[in-house]
Amino acid sequence: GAVVSQHPSRVICKSGTSVKIECRSLDFQATTMFWYRQFPKQSLMLMATSNEGSKATYEQGVEKDKFLINHASLTLSTLTVTSAHPEDSSFYICSASQGGIQYFGAGTRLSVL
Amino acid sequence: AQSVTQPDIHITVSEGASLELRCNYSYGATPYLFWYVQSPGQGLQLLLKYFSGDTLVQGIKGFEAEFKRSQSSFNLRKPSVHWSDAAEYFCAVGRYTGTASKLTFGTGTRLQVTL
Repeated sequence: GAVVSQHPSRVICKSGTSVKIECRSLDFQATTMFWYRQFPKQSLMLMATSNEGSKATYEQGVEKDKFLINHASLTLSTLTVTSAHPEDSSFYICSASQGGIQYFGAGTRLSVL
Repeated sequence: AQSVTQPDIHITVSEGASLELRCNYSYGATPYLFWYVQSPGQGLQLLLKYFSGDTLVQGIKGFEAEFKRSQSSFNLRKPSVHWSDAAEYFCAVGRYTGTASKLTFGTGTRLQVTL
């Protein structure tokens, strides 16, 4: 149980385009999901907390207009990187919360050319 | 604000040897504590958690961790390491926000296993 699916696993895009990443809880409902960013050989940095039916809460320093989060249902949250630039290239990981525990997706490797 | 320190960036052990990964936390109340493991290019898998009760917690893959309030520590142990345990290990402390536990991660410890 507690499986989180993240799609796509890898995406390459041109600078200036937008990319959408999906995070789904497959066998449970998640009121709250989280989005993280991980730089090579570093820890996870929380970007935002996604709550179903309400606006996401962004961490300090995270541009909410660049990283759009939508949590339209109890099983799906999406992160859209708008007008992506090479500095947005990173590993993005989502998690879904159940019973005080976060269950993680497999991550999305974004490369912006 | 909570924080987590993992003093060891990289540890190498021989297969079959015992393992201890250190984790110290800073948190004003009773913490929720977690250990996660990450294989290269993958997401995080929960190894074990501590919410309350017995301070020695058992997890998956033969791992265990002990919560020591007096030392603000939550060290991860395994009596005999397997080559497949090579990965990055993250300790995290959670702060309950009313709907979920918001995590702060340590910087991670990379475990290398020699045959």
